[in-house]
Amino acid sequence: EAGVAQSPRYKIIEKRQSVAFWCNPISGHATLYWYQQILGQGPKLLIQFQNNGVVDDSQLPKDRFSAERLKGVDSTLKIQPAKLEDSAVYLCASSSGLNTEAFFGQGTRLTVV
Amino acid sequence: AQSVTQLGSHVSVSEGALVLLRCNYSSSVPPYLFWYVQYPNQGLQLLLKYTSAATLVKGINGFEAEFKKSETSFHLTKPSAHMSDAAEYFCAVGSGGSYIPTFGRGTSLIVHP
Repeated sequence: EAGVAQSPRYKIIEKRQSVAFWCNPISGHATLYWYQQILGQGPKLLIQFQNNGVVDDSQLPKDRFSAERLKGVDSTLKIQPAKLEDSAVYLCASSSGLNTEAFFGQGTRLTVV
Repeated sequence: AQSVTQLGSHVSVSEGALVLLRCNYSSSVPPYLFWYVQYPNQGLQLLLKYTSAATLVKGINGFEAEFKKSETSFHLTKPSAHMSDAAEYFCAVGSGGSYIPTFGRGTSLIVHP
């Protein structure tokens, strides 16, 4: 069974630029999560989707971050414009339902300079 | 709000020695509790989970954890450390009584030959 796929693995951008990350969850998984992991900290949930609907985006900085999952499968997370403090690893995870184990991708490491 | 506190950002042990990684939780409802492992440049992998069944939970790679309600603890142990156990370990609590993990800051396990 293929795992959660994320791309790109690494990205370096200048502050005020925009960037997008892509996630392909495990086939059939209805629930998808985006986490932000700043160096030295645990991952923090940014947004949770159930199919193509948002369940929780309370910790998503909506002035600059956006995410979508239009067809209930792949998802993109966008930052526009990026700030230095957005440097982090962005992890995507998926699960078959709300109360089942979440499987994580390898993450995208973003460096904002 | 539910949260976990991991005591010690770094734990150093000799190969073959006991591994003990500490985690205390705060939850207003019976919690779901998890331990994840993260190897360098990898995503998070679930080691074990507690979901209100047996208080002693066995996971992969010889790890186990014991849920102690009186101490609000869920410490991770392994009788004999192996060099391949060197990684970052995250304790997490299921948010809102769900499997959606809220992570601690992580503990880096260092294993000396």
